Amino acid sequence: GIQVEQSPPDLILQEGANSTLRCNFSDSVNNLQWFHQNPWGQLINLFYIPSGTKQNGRLSATTVATERYSLLYISSSQTTDSGVYFCAVSQAGTALIFGKGTTLSVSS
Amino acid sequence: GAVVSQHPSWVICKSGTSVKIECRSLDFQATTMFWYRQFPKQSLMLMATSNEGSKATYEQGVEKDKFLINHASLTLSTLTVTSAHPEDSSFYICSAGGAEAFFGQGTRLTVV
Repeated sequence: GIQVEQSPPDLILQEGANSTLRCNFSDSVNNLQWFHQNPWGQLINLFYIPSGTKQNGRLSATTVATERYSLLYISSSQTTDSGVYFCAVSQAGTALIFGKGTTLSVSS
Repeated sequence: GAVVSQHPSWVICKSGTSVKIECRSLDFQATTMFWYRQFPKQSLMLMATSNEGSKATYEQGVEKDKFLINHASLTLSTLTVTSAHPEDSSFYICSAGGAEAFFGQGTRLTVV
């Protein structure tokens, strides 16, 4: 099956700093999504980005499908950005496969 | 985006009893839904694919007789944990959607 690797596993930032999270995947995919899991466990959809670049406020994401990786950028980080960020991929008609996540801690 | 609702959000049950978790697609029809399980500090692992009107497809290592899945309508899938034991305590979460997947709020199950 498809392998999804995320890096770094843990990230500690001061408020206001920028960060880049990476997701590598082992095969071609039709879907790639980034999620933020809040302390209550809920998965918040950040981006649906099988290819290209998208931006939403302080967050942006880029997927280079031909090279099988995606990047999530967080600018001017805030304490509320803390949590676990997951990358997940799927091929047509199949379930999302998740990476192990990046745990982000932002301190004030 | 599409809305997926899961109920209950948390449940505590006694060892040996059964627990039913519901997953509903509120504003779209879902012929396929997915069930995941997440242990503390770990990622989400796919348990099974729920197919409307037919049998669920289980991932390797998931006991189909313990985790009963019923997808009787285009908006509802249920996961029943039968004869629950403490090792079944976990966070269970469902998803549905088209090209983009959306997730329910999740259910935290504690078996005592």
